[in-house]
Amino acid sequence: AQTVTQSQPEMSVQEAETVTLSCTYDTSESDYYLFWYKQPPSRQMILVIRQEAYKQQNATENRFSVNFQKAAKSFSLKISDSQLGDAAMYFCAYRSGETSGSRLTFGEGTQLTVNP
Amino acid sequence: DTAVSQTPKYLVTQMGNDKSIKCEQNLGHDTMYWYKQDSKKFLKIMFSYNNKELIINETVPNRFSPKSPDKAHLNLHINSLELGDSAVYFCASSRLGGLGDTQYFGPGTRLTVL
Repeated sequence: AQTVTQSQPEMSVQEAETVTLSCTYDTSESDYYLFWYKQPPSRQMILVIRQEAYKQQNATENRFSVNFQKAAKSFSLKISDSQLGDAAMYFCAYRSGETSGSRLTFGEGTQLTVNP
Repeated sequence: DTAVSQTPKYLVTQMGNDKSIKCEQNLGHDTMYWYKQDSKKFLKIMFSYNNKELIINETVPNRFSPKSPDKAHLNLHINSLELGDSAVYFCASSRLGGLGDTQYFGPGTRLTVL
């Protein structure tokens, strides 16, 4: 079974600075997808960024980018120019590419605080 | 133009009662899911339906029964509620084969069992 580990329960960053959230995963599959979701206090789960394992290029979405290291099974999220609205719980998630409609396996989450 | 909606958003009830949570998506997706988020914020899959057919049924007490009347709806019925059922329940949907089957979540239903 796949597992996802986020080793940082809490992180903090100064507004306008850069922060990196860590995520590692364990799988024997070669085809899979990785995601970062954000959950602000409103509890809505919001997709931040997505990475296909077969793509070598790291995904980017505006201020959000990932460092995908397939061999190391690492998928970190970098937030540049942090804003107060980035404060939230961030979840890393894994989805198998071998079975359509399969589940997301989530990490434990990292609570990000942005200090003004 | 809400993509994935859930009703109710809050549900407070007594132990032993039966309750339902409704989910609807207007994204044209063919797969829908129920996840449970516990008090420590951990999210875990409960069920998944594809075109009204159950495809994932995790180790969930049989007091929980999902029902999918059509592709756009997936309801969750819970019988004989227990204190440990208190959690946030999320509905999600995805399109098979689309963008890694990215799942889009509803706003969640916070269930409190007293």
